[in-house]
This record gives sequence, structure tokens and C-alpha cells, in this order.
Amino acid sequence: NAGVMQNPRHLVRRRGQEARLRCSPMKGHSHVYWYRQLPEEGLKFMVYLQKENIIDESGMPKERFSAEFPKEGPSILRIQQVVRGDSAAYFCASSPEGMGYTFGSGTRLTVV
Amino acid sequence: SQQGEEDPQALSIQEGENATMNCSYKTSINNLQWYRQNSGRGLVHLILIRSNEREKHSGRLRVTLDTSKKSSSLLITASRAADTASYFCATERTGTASKLTFGTGTRLQVTL
Repeated sequence: NAGVMQNPRHLVRRRGQEARLRCSPMKGHSHVYWYRQLPEEGLKFMVYLQKENIIDESGMPKERFSAEFPKEGPSILRIQQVVRGDSAAYFCASSPEGMGYTFGSGTRLTVV
Repeated sequence: SQQGEEDPQALSIQEGENATMNCSYKTSINNLQWYRQNSGRGLVHLILIRSNEREKHSGRLRVTLDTSKKSSSLLITASRAADTASYFCATERTGTASKLTFGTGTRLQVTL
């Protein structure tokens, strides 16, 4: 079991470009969570998804951010028209039936 | 104000000493979890304590939970240089479908 896989590990985007972050949950885990961590801060919840459903997106910015977890394939966090303030580490976690999180190693997004 | 605030923000001790970190929160919870994060890396789940538990042990870790004071402590005994990391508490609030709310963390430095 390879754990929660996130890619890329590091992503550099120019302002205005799109960023796509991928997360493959652990085998057998049907719940995926995305968190964002700014430098020197704790993680902030963004969105909670199950296969093909968004359960809770209360932490997602209203514009430019979207997330999906299709029936097949990884979960994708998409940030359109990135700005410098989007620079952060984005972590994905998965769990079976909402218990026992396993975190990925994160994607560090730098907007230049 | 923020759920899950750790105290102290930073702690420096010598190898062999014990390290105690505290966490306070504001709402009713299902459980409280402690995580470790090495610099620039993902989070590692350390221990989960449920709201009806008062104390839990795992190896050199001891966690207490006082729901009347809405606080928890993490004790690391006989610290090692490899324990150097940031430690975060995270609460799963009642009725939030497994969403975690993280504190800002305690940065622990263990010196030889």
C-alpha cells in the first residue's frame, strides 16, 4: 500500500496560470480531504469529497478554486488564474468511512 | 478566534528531557488528534483521543484530554534529536463529518 500519493511535489506557476494538484488516496479509502498550509501556520480545511460527491466545501474560496473526486482516477484540486497569495503547501488526506486520516506529503505551490 | 491553539509556540529542550505541549479548543468535539510535521514534509498521525477518554499512551507519547477545560496535552518522554519537528493538535468537532480543525503548532527543537 503506497499511502496517499500527491503530485507534483513542487509546482511553480506564473500569475494568471492554472494549477492542478492531484491526490490518489490509499487503496480502499473513499473519503478525500484537501487542506492548505501557509508558512508558519497550521492546516486549514478546504474541502471534503467522496467519490463523485462534494460533501463539505466550506473552506474553499468562492472563486477560482474547484475540486473533484471522479469515479475513476485521482482527486484533483484546481486553482484557476493563480495569484501570489495562493502560494502554500496543499495537503490531501484520505480515510475509510471518515476515520483515521492518512496524509500525503503535499504539493508546494509557488506562484511567481 | 482559532480552534486548537497550541502552547508554547516554540520549545527547545535537550535530549533526554521531557517535552510538554498544550492545546486548547473552543467547541465540543468528537475527538482530538496530534500530528507531527517535519520541516517541509507531510503530517504523521501520532495519536487520537476520543471525547470520552481522559488519557492515552503510545510508546513515549502520553496524551491527556480535559473536556471540561477544553484542553489537551501531549507529553513526549525521554526526547531524542529525531523528535525535532512541529506538533499540531487537530479537533474533529461534533457534527462536522470528520473535518479537522488544526492549531498553529508547537515547534519543538531537541538538541544533543
